[in-house]
Amino acid sequence: DVKVTQSSRYLVKRTGEKVFLECVQDMDHENMFWYRQDPGLGLRLIYFSYDVKMKEKGDIPEGYSVSREKKERFSLILESASTNQTSMYLCASSTHRGPLGEQYFGPGTRLTVT
Amino acid sequence: DQQVKQNSPSLSVQEGRISILNCDYTNSMFDYFLWYKKYPAEGPTFLISISSIKDKNEDGRFTVFLNKSAKHLSLHIVPSQPGDSAVYFCAASDNAGGTSYGKLTFGQGTILTVHP
Repeated sequence: DVKVTQSSRYLVKRTGEKVFLECVQDMDHENMFWYRQDPGLGLRLIYFSYDVKMKEKGDIPEGYSVSREKKERFSLILESASTNQTSMYLCASSTHRGPLGEQYFGPGTRLTVT
Repeated sequence: DQQVKQNSPSLSVQEGRISILNCDYTNSMFDYFLWYKKYPAEGPTFLISISSIKDKNEDGRFTVFLNKSAKHLSLHIVPSQPGDSAVYFCAASDNAGGTSYGKLTFGQGTILTVHP
């Protein structure tokens, strides 16, 4: 059974803090993605990675960075959290070997920045 | 620039009736389309997909229709069940270019409520 896990389900941080969101997949997938979900805006891609140490900006990368040191782990970093980064963060993974574009999602992290 | 749009934020139907969720796209390079379902406090799960070389794909109660000339796709659920109540996202990808790495562009989502 495929599995994508995220380090926290709920997180509360203060403005200006550095925040780390961790994502781990156990499917040996090449591609990993970070999205944020906001009401009325759907899922918006922040960053993605298609290989270890490789990363590409998504549609809304400002204020975020990522790290992929190992194939199974993809981290999202908020360098200095701001209130407009309060959101649901979703991690996903996919493989070149499987159905085109089918991504497997983690349960999400609800981040609140106060 | 919203390349994938779901113009109906919500839809309410009676159990046993048909649910039709709609999605429009603007990027003519998209060649693969997917529908995801999301329950509260869970990540989205893949539901059904369709390639641009087809106009229909069916899987049990779920059918996706693609109208390329209109850049429109729809998801039909027949018959609808209360357990189908969730947020439905359509998504699209451009795979022909070979460098998309499976990247998806999502719509805003439609909240489906199926009443018993």
